[in-house]
Amino acid sequence: DTGVSQDPRHKITKRGQNVTFRCDPISEHNRLYWYRQTLGQGPEFLTYFQNEAQLEKSRLLSDRFSAERPKGSFSTLEIQRTEQGDSAMYLCASSSRGRMNTEAFFGQGTRLTVV
Amino acid sequence: DQQVKQNSPSLSVQEGRISILNCDYTNSMFDYFLWYKKYPAEGPTFLISISSIKDKNEDGRFTVFLNKSAKHLSLHIVPSQPGDSAVYFCAASASDNTGKLIFGQGTTLQVKP
Repeated sequence: DTGVSQDPRHKITKRGQNVTFRCDPISEHNRLYWYRQTLGQGPEFLTYFQNEAQLEKSRLLSDRFSAERPKGSFSTLEIQRTEQGDSAMYLCASSSRGRMNTEAFFGQGTRLTVV
Repeated sequence: DQQVKQNSPSLSVQEGRISILNCDYTNSMFDYFLWYKKYPAEGPTFLISISSIKDKNEDGRFTVFLNKSAKHLSLHIVPSQPGDSAVYFCAASASDNTGKLIFGQGTTLQVKP
């Protein structure tokens, strides 16, 4: 299967702990996006990469959040000192910047619960 | 500031009838619009899209209509099937070519057998 893969699917952590999520995009896609979705809302943009360069970060991405895409392939999203408000579904998506408009393909998400 | 709005949280239709999901946007810089479908505990799945240079795009049972003057788009599903029951998200991207998507809040569609 060559879809977007996210790991883990679920994570329960205690407040104050650090967590890291991984995303493997579709192999030929050079753009990778992170979104966060809370209950009853649509996904909200967090950040995106073109190859290994992080080109934009949302105001939602506080200093406790950091994302990397070291070799332009997989990406990690780390949350330090987690808070209960971080509980959400974290979605990764990838797309190809080959055409002017192209859809993004999403992974199944990582459900984070901070207790 | 909700730039993309789906004002109907839910919609219920009978199998075989038409489902119409609506979406409004405020940002004139949006030039590409997409509809995604989402089942519980899964990521959104791309359904259909439309560029701002068009007013209609059709793919099988799914048709998206765009009214730029009204900043409104709609997704028509006909005939509706029970398997279409899911949350539908409208999304938009701007002409800045980042591909960043702004999503609406979603509409839960239930298709009754």
